[in-house]
Amino acid sequence: EADIYQTPRYLVIGTGKKITLECSQTMGHDKMYWYQQDPGMELHLIHYSYGVNSTEKGDLSSESTVSRIRTEHFPLTLESARPSHTSQYLCASSVGSATNEKLFFGSGTQLSVL
Amino acid sequence: KNEVEQSPQNLTAQEGEFITINCSYSVGISALHWLQQHPGGGIVSLFMLSSGKKKHGRLIATINIQEKHSSLHITASHPRDSAVYICAGITIFGNEKLTFGTGTRLTIIP
Repeated sequence: EADIYQTPRYLVIGTGKKITLECSQTMGHDKMYWYQQDPGMELHLIHYSYGVNSTEKGDLSSESTVSRIRTEHFPLTLESARPSHTSQYLCASSVGSATNEKLFFGSGTQLSVL
Repeated sequence: KNEVEQSPQNLTAQEGEFITINCSYSVGISALHWLQQHPGGGIVSLFMLSSGKKKHGRLIATINIQEKHSSLHITASHPRDSAVYICAGITIFGNEKLTFGTGTRLTIIP
């Protein structure tokens, strides 16, 4: 059973609003990730963290920011939402080495920006 | 060109059939995850492979390092196996990030 939680599950918001997508895990994992996924498309890494106070941008150019003040919490913030941000956002955490890694995903946040 | 290619993109089969989903990957990927994504978005990790073969219930995953190819097999398929199956490669350069395939949409008809 997944111990990684995302809220909200769905969010419809107007252009220009600031939003924060929440992600928490109770497994004590150091590695956490945010992915963006459009319908029928592959996941793209937008941010990742390998521990407290460590954050890096991923491959996909993003106007979002993240923070990692606590191990269990990895929120994603959009300062000014735009229709192009409409997508599904998936949070994940992992444990283990490069040859023996286990991934855990949240249920995702479906964001619609009008 | 994506570093991880899956085939087929869509697969429809009758309940009970043996299912094979393929994943080919490029140089620089040291291991693969197989993931299952149900409608609504939730993703479950099925296997992580760096060599050989793994089995869990009716699911079997194999990887051939020399040929840079992995397969996911489902025996005695069931309608509840209907989902999108995704392979994701772990790059050996930099910080071991994942590169995802576009997924195989599997539909099992009762």
